Amino acid sequence: DIQMTQSPSSLSASVGDRVTITCRASQSIGRNLNWYQQKPGRAPELLMYAASSLQGGVPSWFSGSGSGTDFTLTISSLQPEDFATYYCQQSYSPPFTFGGGTKVEIK
Amino acid sequence: QVQLQQWGAGLLKPSETLSLTCAVNGGSFNVYRWSWIRQPPGKGLEWIGQINHRGSTDYNPSLKSRVTISVDTSKNQFSLKLSSVTAADTAVYYCARVDISQGWFGELFTNPQFDFWGQGTLVTVSS
Repeated sequence: DIQMTQSPSSLSASVGDRVTITCRASQSIGRNLNWYQQKPGRAPELLMYAASSLQGGVPSWFSGSGSGTDFTLTISSLQPEDFATYYCQQSYSPPFTFGGGTKVEIK
Repeated sequence: QVQLQQWGAGLLKPSETLSLTCAVNGGSFNVYRWSWIRQPPGKGLEWIGQINHRGSTDYNPSLKSRVTISVDTSKNQFSLKLSSVTAADTAVYYCARVDISQGWFGELFTNPQFDFWGQGTLVTVSS
């Protein structure tokens, strides 16, 4: 199985801050990487697919980059509604695996 | 708008079989694959498996011996059965649609992503 490692596991930030979350795959996955946002008690929601494509309806202050083994999700200006847990997921080959999550909390 | 509505028993005893069903409203059922994903309380996400409209499946090897995913195209539904459950199977179980996008990275590639999710069902295994 392809292992996905996210860092940090949690972070505290203020509204307006720039936030960067990284995700590393245990082998090269090209650009087969998706990002999800999950709020407490809710199902995850797709934010970004194929490493850098924004899912419809997702605000433009979210962006994704990377290829191979190293990927980044960036929130350019953190908004109140962005406080949540974020997961990366490799879509290169089954079994599809997720990172451990990054919890973004209010500072 | 696509909606996934799931249901099934929420409390099981060890050794029983977990059974969940997901109904899909909106969109073209036969175009997509359909997945089950679970999340133990306070933990991360684990992909269980997927199925297409023809009944072709892929399962997570860690669960493969106990998992069956089936589809009923006449009802736009798909189902999950997990046998011989233990406390380790306690989790919120989600159904999800698998959309496949295309991209270019030196060559054309396809990318599956989970774009619509059910509301989740908490399944607790306890004696």
